[in-house]
Amino acid sequence: QKEVEQDPGPLSVPEGAIVSLNCTYSNSAFQYFMWYRQYSRKGPELLMYTYSSGNKEDGRFTAQVDKSSKYISLFIRDSQPSDSATYLCAMSAGASNTGKLIFGQGTTLQVKP
Amino acid sequence: DSGVTQTPKHLITATGQRVTLRCSPRSGDLSVYWYQQSLDQGLQFLIQYYNGEERAKGNILERFSAQQFPDLHSELNLSSLELGDSALYFCASSGQGPTIYFGEGSWLTVV
Repeated sequence: QKEVEQDPGPLSVPEGAIVSLNCTYSNSAFQYFMWYRQYSRKGPELLMYTYSSGNKEDGRFTAQVDKSSKYISLFIRDSQPSDSATYLCAMSAGASNTGKLIFGQGTTLQVKP
Repeated sequence: DSGVTQTPKHLITATGQRVTLRCSPRSGDLSVYWYQQSLDQGLQFLIQYYNGEERAKGNILERFSAQQFPDLHSELNLSSLELGDSALYFCASSGQGPTIYFGEGSWLTVV
């Protein structure tokens, strides 16, 4: 079993839809949770970062972490065609090991005009 | 632009050969990380250097090695290349915070 599980999709939605992306994990030591966006053949770009449980909002993006369920989510409101990309969740156990991020497989999202 | 620079962007080489990938971290970042991304394995952590010293090791093959130089740039050396080593290799860097920033990657094709 992988430490981080993420549905690879693909996920196709119409423009303006609310998108929900999710990851589950098994390692209860994870404390730092991140979402990256990766366009085709480009480097992953950090979208959101959350420490421990709770919600964080940044514009159209909301990240949620539920440590009791070992479940994290990324919501995208009013999705745009430019949001079409692969979304990767990533997590680590502590600040000193934050480079040793464990990534999910990524979910491919397509937003249709 | 993340500020992390990687060269070369693309390279094609034959099995059994050796290549070197180069990375310049963001200005001021002391930590450099190397990741491998392939279709079947996803994004895999290889190794981390902090201010010239190895800090953490992941799923890095013995045929691969890395180093970080006094000017903080880093190199990843891949030797005795096999077809299965074909992948995107990313360098990333970080400062004091927990977030890391990725470069655009080096596409390696082994033929």
